[in-house]
Amino acid sequence: QQQVKQSPQSLIVQKGGISIINCAYENTAFDYFPWYQQFPGKGPALLIAIRPDVSEKKEGRFTISFNKSAKQFSLHIMDSQPGDSATYFCAARGAGNMLTFGGGTRLMVKP
Amino acid sequence: DAGVTQSPTHLIKTRGQQVTLRCSPISGHKSVSWYQQVLGQGPQFIFQYYEKEERGRGNFPDRFSARQFPNYSSELNVNALLLGDSALYLCASSLGPLTNTGELFFGEGSRLTVL
Repeated sequence: QQQVKQSPQSLIVQKGGISIINCAYENTAFDYFPWYQQFPGKGPALLIAIRPDVSEKKEGRFTISFNKSAKQFSLHIMDSQPGDSATYFCAARGAGNMLTFGGGTRLMVKP
Repeated sequence: DAGVTQSPTHLIKTRGQQVTLRCSPISGHKSVSWYQQVLGQGPQFIFQYYEKEERGRGNFPDRFSARQFPNYSSELNVNALLLGDSALYLCASSLGPLTNTGELFFGEGSRLTVL
């Protein structure tokens, strides 16, 4: 019930391409879905987030698409840059502001 | 504005020892949460504290304990360390413990290695 499944585990994209990371959840009580970006040796940093009453949210090159009926959401990174190379985590917030994280996607953007 | 600060950044312990990790939240944030991130995995929730009271506990053994001080800083203690406790321990702060009290902001973590 509390699991968040993330795919793919790793992703290689050419500079300028689109990176797409997918997540699925089971618990319909989750009410907020953030994405975090983590560089080696650093803590996760909030990238973008969405609430389930919205189907899409865009901030710069980053877009979250949310499908409530399918219990799935995804992160799209447009015009991917080498500086975007990092590990990305989707998460879902349940009761008490506690986050359940996906397993992570290691993104490499080739110049 | 200072973000979430954690100390120490790195430490090495041996099996059976005890460790204390410290966290100072963002100014104005009253809730602190602890997460464990094993290499190659997503963070896992350990504890949440608000106003010095435990508000949530994840699926971790009793060897793990925490507390929050009047200034909202927090300590995480792990007793009888096992090799499997080797991980990055992340502290996150938020305005409050409820789902409408803002996002979680993470510190850079304390990297614990158990030999």
